[in-house]
Amino acid sequence: QVQLVQSGAEVKKPGASVKVSCKASGYTFTSYDINWVRQATGQGLEWMGWMNPNSGNTGYAQKFQGRVTMTRNTSISTAYMELSSLRSEDTAVYYCARTIIRGDEVAFDIWGQGTMVTVSS
Amino acid sequence: DIQMTQSPSSLSASVGDRVTITCRASQSISSYLNWYQQKPGKAPKLLIYAASSLQSGVPSRFSGSGSGTDFTLTISSLQPEDFATYYCQQSYSTPWGFGQGTRLEIK
Repeated sequence: QVQLVQSGAEVKKPGASVKVSCKASGYTFTSYDINWVRQATGQGLEWMGWMNPNSGNTGYAQKFQGRVTMTRNTSISTAYMELSSLRSEDTAVYYCARTIIRGDEVAFDIWGQGTMVTVSS
Repeated sequence: DIQMTQSPSSLSASVGDRVTITCRASQSISSYLNWYQQKPGKAPKLLIYAASSLQSGVPSRFSGSGSGTDFTLTISSLQPEDFATYYCQQSYSTPWGFGQGTRLEIK
């Protein structure tokens, strides 16, 4: 079935970087954009950016510009999100999500299970 | 950036009730509005896209309406599995922001 499977939980110190993976299966990886969304404990959803797995083109939310990098390895149908200069406020669950486009409408139809990233000294 | 505001922030209702959740955009977004359901410890699930189109596999008791700045999600007859948090999301322009969420609780 169509699914996105993410890497496991991470614990990082302030100032470090984290790289989360998102492996796609059940569909053609390069045919759908991948987005990253995070959620701090008890809080709402925050969109971080998107990546086109075919071209490698990316678009990041202004808030994360300069700190986030989204990449992919098409040979293993896997997308990556790397966040650098981590601070305590980056402690959250990070989700990858597949984009569907219906006409010119965009939505996120398949989500990974989430990866907990804890930033603590 | 377009701001999305949901109301109410929380809501108590009973099985069988009809429930409406509202989402307002800070500027017109035409029909570029999606609704998601999230249960504790789980990833969000797409319910409605393009303001009123039901995602495949989603029960017909869920419906969406609206355009411009004002949108609603309606659950016609609440079922036990519907108690969750609901988020709207605009897809008019990046950043594709979400509302703050509406927590639907059992009365």
